[in-house]
Amino acid sequence: KQEVTQIPAALSVPEGENLVLNCSFTDSAIYNLQWFRQDPGKGLTSLLLIQSSQREQTSGRLNASLDKSSGRSTLYIAASQPGDSATYLCAVRSRGGSEKLVFGKGTKLTVNP
Amino acid sequence: KAGVTQTPRYLIKTRGQQVTLSCSPISGHRSVSWYQQTPGQGLQFLFEYFSETQRNKGNFPGRFSGRQFSNSRSEMNVSTLELGDSALYLCASSWTGAQGNSPLHFGNGTRLTVT
Repeated sequence: KQEVTQIPAALSVPEGENLVLNCSFTDSAIYNLQWFRQDPGKGLTSLLLIQSSQREQTSGRLNASLDKSSGRSTLYIAASQPGDSATYLCAVRSRGGSEKLVFGKGTKLTVNP
Repeated sequence: KAGVTQTPRYLIKTRGQQVTLSCSPISGHRSVSWYQQTPGQGLQFLFEYFSETQRNKGNFPGRFSGRQFSNSRSEMNVSTLELGDSALYLCASSWTGAQGNSPLHFGNGTRLTVT
């Protein structure tokens, strides 16, 4: 059974700092891994999708890496801004043809001006 | 292109009642999945539909059911509501490629409160 863990559960940083969010998963037989952002009371916004054959993906100030063999992914946020404050969720899709995602509990990020 | 639309945005029901939630996927997307989000359990998979067929089901009681229509719109129904069903219910859609590699796009959810 796939399990996804995100550490830390909460993180507070000053504006401008570069930061790394961690995600680990127990079963390396995955199709892909997706990072989401969730603002309070809202749905999930897809940030980056990394296929199992890829090592990293970049979008603007965001960079996500994947090390399938060790069951780890990191989300790097450069030059953080107060608008980046949100909960960041990691989710993996295991092999089997279903759209089912297994989510971590998330990291709540606060960027202080 | 319009995103995933969920209606209603908020619902308040009493124990024992039933409720129906609606989801309209992004145009062209054929897969619709439903998730329940609570503070204690986080996001948990309910079920997934593709071309009107349920392809996968999570570990929820039979009170939770769903369906998908020919236009890919989906509904989920919860009967005999319990207090523990209070949650944010999220719908996600995707265009499923040959290997299921397409990203999931989520709606803003329906906030269900059971009193």
